Amino acid sequence: GESVGLHLPTLSVQEGDNSIINCAYSNSASDYFIWYKQESGKGPQFIIDIRSNMDKRQGQRVTVLLNKTVKHLSLQIAATQPGDSAVYFCAENVDYGGSQGNLIFGKGTKLSVKP
Amino acid sequence: NAGVMQNPRHLVRRRGQEARLRCSPMKGHSHVYWYRQLPEEGLKFMVYLQKENIIDESGMPKERFSAEFPKEGPSILRIQQVVRGDSAAYFCASSPKGQGPNEQFFGPGTRLTVL
Repeated sequence: GESVGLHLPTLSVQEGDNSIINCAYSNSASDYFIWYKQESGKGPQFIIDIRSNMDKRQGQRVTVLLNKTVKHLSLQIAATQPGDSAVYFCAENVDYGGSQGNLIFGKGTKLSVKP
Repeated sequence: NAGVMQNPRHLVRRRGQEARLRCSPMKGHSHVYWYRQLPEEGLKFMVYLQKENIIDESGMPKERFSAEFPKEGPSILRIQQVVRGDSAAYFCASSPKGQGPNEQFFGPGTRLTVL
């Protein structure tokens, strides 16, 4: 079965609030994680990534947290804007000993931002 | 620098026909991945290719599906004798050459409808 899943399938927030999207993974061999944003009718767009030797990484308005102990990943979006409305996917990559490998995607969380 | 290109964007086929989906990776990228996405679901890995080589096809159905990435030209995902269950969005991603996992850049996808 899937090794990546999400706790919340939908999330509705008020514009300006912070958003937190969670993701659980089950493969302890995963060493690289990415968050993607997908708008309707478009391909996934890279947001931020993190490698397993880190527990936190910050970008512009986004922060990814990785807790390897409980195999949990989260995406925090600060000051959420209407343009952030989309489906968010976490994806993991398993270390195949140096090869690139493929990404395993979760089912996604739909984020709706209310003005 | 153009992103990942896919064509056609929309493809309609009748049951039993063949579907050919094309993907041109980003300039300088030598790794190509194909994923399939059903409505309201995450992306599912199909195949990973480098120039003239199939690296991992563990996600490809055993029959009717094939993929190639020739020395010259785009990567092709070919579906023979399509059935209604093949209706989905097919995304291609590319990444640069190098050891270890890297961000995969996605194209806009081809939406296949089988009548």
